[in-house]
Amino acid sequence: DIQMTQSPSSLSASVGDRVTLTCRASQGIRNSLAWFQQKPGKAPKCLIYDSVSLQLGVPSRFSGSGSGTDFTLTISSLQPEDFATYYCLHYNGYPFSFGQGTKVEIK
Amino acid sequence: ELHLVESGGGLVQPGGSLRLSCAASGFSISDYHMDWVRQAPGKGLEWVGRTEKKGLIANTRYAAFVKGRFTISRDDAQSSLFLQMNSLTIEDTAVYYCVRGYNGLDPWGQGTLVSVSS
Repeated sequence: DIQMTQSPSSLSASVGDRVTLTCRASQGIRNSLAWFQQKPGKAPKCLIYDSVSLQLGVPSRFSGSGSGTDFTLTISSLQPEDFATYYCLHYNGYPFSFGQGTKVEIK
Repeated sequence: ELHLVESGGGLVQPGGSLRLSCAASGFSISDYHMDWVRQAPGKGLEWVGRTEKKGLIANTRYAAFVKGRFTISRDDAQSSLFLQMNSLTIEDTAVYYCVRGYNGLDPWGQGTLVSVSS
């Protein structure tokens, strides 16, 4: 089974900062990767799918990149509403699996 | 607007069973794969399984921890998804989300809480 590892597990940043989150797969998954944002007490929301495609309605400050085993989610200018936990998911064959999450906190 | 609404969660004793339902609106589930994802209290997201849309081969696949205890089914005519859970353990305590398997996983329901406790 494919394991997904996210780094860092948490980070502190300020409004306006550029933030990069990383997700690594234990074996190649082509571009079958999605990123999710989850706020406390809420259901997750898909931001990016197929590694680079922005979900409809998601602000353009979010972008994804990568293929194979290494992927990144970048927030170009962190906004107050972006403080949340972010998860990656691979869907390149069963079973799918999530990373353990990266919590983005206010500095 | 696309909506998924889960129901059927609650308190169940270890070894018991529970059947979760998910009602879709704004789209027909017959056109999509459908997934269940869970989240234990204070923990991360965990994929439970998927039922593929009908086609030449329509698989239903599960995470390893399911171990034959859970069954995902669907009623395309009613645009409903189900998760039958048997032999529940305290480790199955979680919020269970119904999700459309499209463009990643999108959208998500609000979740239903399953608590397994004696």
